Amino acid sequence: GAVVSQHPSRVICKSGTSVKIECRSLDFQATTMFWYRQFPKQSLMLMATSNEGSKATYEQGVEKDKFLINHASLTLSTLTVTSAHPEDSSFYICSARESVSLSGNTIYFGEGSWLTVV
Amino acid sequence: SQQGEEDPQALSIQEGENATMNCSYKTSINNLQWYRQNSGRGLVHLILIRSNEREKHSGRLRVTLDTSKKSSSLLITASRAADTASYFCAMANTGNQFYFGTGTSLTVIP
Repeated sequence: GAVVSQHPSRVICKSGTSVKIECRSLDFQATTMFWYRQFPKQSLMLMATSNEGSKATYEQGVEKDKFLINHASLTLSTLTVTSAHPEDSSFYICSARESVSLSGNTIYFGEGSWLTVV
Repeated sequence: SQQGEEDPQALSIQEGENATMNCSYKTSINNLQWYRQNSGRGLVHLILIRSNEREKHSGRLRVTLDTSKKSSSLLITASRAADTASYFCAMANTGNQFYFGTGTSLTVIP
């Protein structure tokens, strides 16, 4: 079946540095990808919608200059957490919508990336 | 906030019993999906119910949807210890953006 891969699965970075998380659709093309954040013992919150070749659409309250999203190809979207702070430590999950889907609403989730900022 | 509400927040049952969790939401939806998440892991898709459907079954899972009340329920029958996880409802709009419920933490005691 279709697979969405995230890399890295775990990353530790120093406060003030930037870290990039990749989301790849491995065997399908995804014109749209979504980024979610999940704090411990909480639900997933949609951060932004990433469209291939255009700017991402951010949810209210999400700083676009802090969470840079690039969707340069039909199989890759990246989330860069800039000037990371300990409060950015979280579980980040992406999902991808298959561009051509007979079912019409096929969404696949990645395995998530744990970010710890020390 | 477009986040859904789930209850109960936590549920503890004996193996073999049924588990029911409820989800309420605020906006119009294209479909509603239920996911399972083991601690610290990604999401596992369980079942999708479209806005024009009222009930759906998959193995030991039964999902209902009442769009007039903006609510859904997930029933897991004959629970197993391996069902222990967090369960989230997710409301999908026409743009496939998902807004998740607050989650139910299920513990099945062997």
